Amino acid sequence: QQPVQSPQAVILREGEDAVINCSSSKALYSVHWYRQKHGEAPVFLMILLKGGEQKGHDKISASFNEKKQQSSLYLTASQLSYSGTYFCGTEIEGAQKLVFGQGTRLTINP
Amino acid sequence: KAGVTQTPRYLIKTRGQQVTLSCSPISGHRSVSWYQQTPGQGLQFLFEYFSETQRNKGNFPGRFSGRQFSNSRSEMNVSTLELGDSALYLCASSLNPSLGGYTFGSGTRLTVV
Repeated sequence: QQPVQSPQAVILREGEDAVINCSSSKALYSVHWYRQKHGEAPVFLMILLKGGEQKGHDKISASFNEKKQQSSLYLTASQLSYSGTYFCGTEIEGAQKLVFGQGTRLTINP
Repeated sequence: KAGVTQTPRYLIKTRGQQVTLSCSPISGHRSVSWYQQTPGQGLQFLFEYFSETQRNKGNFPGRFSGRQFSNSRSEMNVSTLELGDSALYLCASSLNPSLGGYTFGSGTRLTVV
């Protein structure tokens, strides 16, 4: 079952904040976040494991609410380099596969 | 260190033909996954290999197959190509997905005409 990402697209000005959500109907073992720039490969950002946690590095952080099977990616004080499509990938325990959401296209304007 | 290498980068094939794509994972990574990416369907899981064994398979027809060699290099094969198989095929490798996620290659862009 594919996770649902929202919003599908967002346009921001440099310095503004963004939140991207990822919801699953299944009990998850982990949630991965990736960013893909046009014409490039997806790049791993971070992983959150079941148990409910929050992670972050620099101005990009994420949380995982195990009760709701939801994860959110937070981008604060966005930079031009943050532009791209963000994907969440969800994994069920023992599945050895990621099921990706449809992606959220983030555009940062000067 | 070298990243995930996929060859070829671009392919044009005719309907009905078959194609083989190659993926060399990061040295030491034994898990290799394949994904199909299209504008309409996003990233769709094809299969995952670990130590030459297929551990999981996505919902694709039997025309899609793969294998992994003892050096962890992997190939995927698509037989009897259809127009709808046109896509970017991405390979990803991992040492331990629960710690470091997956590293993707740049992909092979397959066009079926």
